[in-house]
Amino acid sequence: QQPVQSPQAVILREGEDAVINCSSSKALYSVHWYRQKHGEAPVFLMILLKGGEQKGHDKISASFNEKKQQSSLYLTASQLSYSGTYFCGTANNNNDMRFGAGTRLTVKP
Amino acid sequence: DTEVTQTPKHLVMGMTNKKSLKCEQHMGHRAMYWYKQKAKKPPELMFVYSYEKLSINESVPSRFSPECPNSSLLNLHLHALQPEDSALYLCASTRGPGTEAFFGQGTRLTVV
Repeated sequence: QQPVQSPQAVILREGEDAVINCSSSKALYSVHWYRQKHGEAPVFLMILLKGGEQKGHDKISASFNEKKQQSSLYLTASQLSYSGTYFCGTANNNNDMRFGAGTRLTVKP
Repeated sequence: DTEVTQTPKHLVMGMTNKKSLKCEQHMGHRAMYWYKQKAKKPPELMFVYSYEKLSINESVPSRFSPECPNSSLLNLHLHALQPEDSALYLCASTRGPGTEAFFGQGTRLTVV
């Protein structure tokens, strides 16, 4: 089943922060975050496997709550290059990988 | 080599045509995927191959026929498609559960 993502869209000014949420009614085996720019393939950002895990690089980080039913992606001090559609993906141990509806992020100067 | 290569990049086909999409990876990944993506929508899972065997078929119409000839190749055979099948078709691969997915650039398919 697909994870549920929110919000559907976010508009930011450069330097502002954003949070994108991803949740499921069941415990997730893993959570993946991807960014897709218009006309391009999704690009991997990070993956979280363990409840309570937090990861990040540069100014993008993510958390996976203890019960493994929710993940959040944090974008700090946004840059123009952060614009795109962010998808969370969930996978089980059968390689069944599905994506949420996406969050369209627009960063304006 | 960390690429997934899809060919062709663009394809226009008539409703009576037969065509094939090709996907190739040389990362030793044992799971390969086909997704369909419509504009402003997420990738929608179609098929998954694990160790060259079809493990997931999301009730995709039989006019789409997947094939995995070996561990590096994945094909999607198309026959008698409908205009509503026009979309971006993405191939992806992973080492296994809980690992990063690598996506190809996709084939933009138009059915006329």
